[in-house]
Amino acid sequence: AQKVTQAQTEISVVEKEDVTLDCVYETRDTTYYLFWYKQPPSGELVFLIRRNSFDEQNEISGRYSWNFQKSTSSFNFTITASQVVDSAVYFCALSGGYQKVTFGIGTKLQVIP
Amino acid sequence: DAGVIQSPRHEVTEMGQEVTLRCKPISGHNSLFWYRQTMMRGLELLIYFNNNVPIDDSGMPEDRFSAKMPNASFSTLKIQPSEPRDSAVYFCASRLSGQGNTEAFFGQGTRLTVV
Repeated sequence: AQKVTQAQTEISVVEKEDVTLDCVYETRDTTYYLFWYKQPPSGELVFLIRRNSFDEQNEISGRYSWNFQKSTSSFNFTITASQVVDSAVYFCALSGGYQKVTFGIGTKLQVIP
Repeated sequence: DAGVIQSPRHEVTEMGQEVTLRCKPISGHNSLFWYRQTMMRGLELLIYFNNNVPIDDSGMPEDRFSAKMPNASFSTLKIQPSEPRDSAVYFCASRLSGQGNTEAFFGQGTRLTVV
């Protein structure tokens, strides 16, 4: 069984603040993949990042960074110096092998100008 | 590549009517997923296929829902008869599954309204 928990349903920050979106996952697979997606108000689902279970190296891409910790089964996402365009719903997802891609409930981020 | 293509983008139908949603996955992808998104339940996986074979349909809510994948380049999700509570956005996604799984790529979605 797979499960993804995003405990924060909604977050509001003021522009230029940093914000971290939490993701905790459960799986019995030893090999699995974690993902983050962004869903802006226009509705499409945009892929942001993929990590496999053997690669715990944190990643930074511009203002985005991801912290993967197997010891706590977490894959958190931080936006530095947030901007209004970051306002969206962010989904964390999990997949193992040929298994389904399971999504968390999503965290709605509102960046206030 | 044109990405995952879904049709129609919007569908309004009357309760009791049959609705068919269509999806063309990305060429070369061997897994296809149908999701339903609502405010209350978020993104729910309805069914997924590997190599055109349904693997897990445990998310299909009722017998009114059915999905097919007759070949690698086409899938349908059918609701018969439709009910107002089926109103949602339905997403199709595809990916390359196996060693080194890729991310799932999503279509634009079909917004279904059942009145």
